[in-house]
Amino acid sequence: ETGVTQSPTHLIKTRGQQVTLRCSSQSGHNTVSWYQQALGQGPQFIFQYYREEENGRGNFPPRFSGLQFPNYSSELNVNALELDDSALYLCASSALGTAQYFGPGTRLTVL
Amino acid sequence: DQQVKQNSPSLSVQEGRISILNCDYTNSMFDYFLWYKKYPAEGPTFLISISSIKDKNEDGRFTVFLNKSAKHLSLHIVPSQPGDSAVYFCAAKVNYGQNFVFGPGTRLSVLP
Repeated sequence: ETGVTQSPTHLIKTRGQQVTLRCSSQSGHNTVSWYQQALGQGPQFIFQYYREEENGRGNFPPRFSGLQFPNYSSELNVNALELDDSALYLCASSALGTAQYFGPGTRLTVL
Repeated sequence: DQQVKQNSPSLSVQEGRISILNCDYTNSMFDYFLWYKKYPAEGPTFLISISSIKDKNEDGRFTVFLNKSAKHLSLHIVPSQPGDSAVYFCAAKVNYGQNFVFGPGTRLSVLP
């Protein structure tokens, strides 16, 4: 059974740029959730995708957007990057409503 | 407004002793709770969960207790091992909700 994978591992961008992060869900899971984890804090929910549709969103601005593909993999896109977007971005997959299994994360640094 | 609180940023325990990690929540609609463990440079790893219809769930060395009237849950690790040293997150969800709300985490250090 393949776990959740994320790419890239690390990324450095400058303010105003755009970034795309990728996630492959665990086999058998049809739901992907994205979280932002700032240093010293717990993960904060960005949004969730279920069967290619957005299925809930946290308190993040519209410049955070996403996609889910037919194979249940997912992308997180962030436009107009700000310094405060520097964080660890975590992807988690699950069957809907059950425990979520996390990938290793992508560390984004915005300069 | 922090809906899930872990008031102890860190905890140190001797190997072989019990580790007790605490979590408080404010939203009475939460009905599913989980504990995750996180090592540096890795994503959180699911440990154990509990539904609000139960007050205890056990899995090997890990036991989670839920006190709904106090809006409090705790994770007991017995016996603690050095490999348990990590950051532990408590998370909660409402039945109809999609997302888990995480606490800020407690760093557990198990000393040999």
